[in-house]
Amino acid sequence: QSALTQPRSVSGSPGQSVTISCTGTSRDVGGYNYVSWYQQHPGKAPKLMIYDVIKRPSGVPDRFSGSKSGNTASLTISGLQADDEADYYCCSYAGSFTWVFGGGTKLTVL
Amino acid sequence: EVQLVESGGDLVQPGRSLRLSCTASGFDLGYQAMSWVRQAPGRGLEWVGFVRSKAFGATTEYAASVKGRFTISRHDSESIAYLQMNSLKMEDTAIYYCTTYRVETGWIYFDVWGRGTQVTVSS
Repeated sequence: QSALTQPRSVSGSPGQSVTISCTGTSRDVGGYNYVSWYQQHPGKAPKLMIYDVIKRPSGVPDRFSGSKSGNTASLTISGLQADDEADYYCCSYAGSFTWVFGGGTKLTVL
Repeated sequence: EVQLVESGGDLVQPGRSLRLSCTASGFDLGYQAMSWVRQAPGRGLEWVGFVRSKAFGATTEYAASVKGRFTISRHDSESIAYLQMNSLKMEDTAIYYCTTYRVETGWIYFDVWGRGTQVTVSS
């Protein structure tokens, strides 16, 4: 099971929007609406930000939104804030109780 | 408060074994499926394995990279899950997290995480 493909880094200024892509295959991202996104600050455990492609757990700001088209999922963060600077990982269920993560994207808030 | 705490990480030589523990508090581990996820130094997250709840036979699934070497088990009466790692390789060096879900999000997602425990495989 190969890792999902994410850009290594993205950046944006405070208040701007950024989008992080996550490309998989029909066996994972394209085959299931079970895509999630995780935020990880340095030295911390990951935090679930998006699940079921578009849903936000309670407590996650609505500045974070998800979408999917075919084999590619996306995370959009609007109204960038300094605390959004972190690594972001996508994850897809890949069937038969297995999961695959993306390689991670480092978001820099300029 | 729902909490997971990993322990057992250590420095071990290649080929040796190590057992990690994940202790749950604030919820009944017996009803929860759980996964282990690892993160190699400076690298991304990698799903390692999954154990179903006892109601579903506590059966397990593993990533290809660890299948046949790693075993997940659970001791629900003590709210502990284990990751037994045998025939360790240098590429198993990572922070190991145990993770589970909240009812709100569903069993497919990793919504509760421990702080992780460091495993270093080196001669």
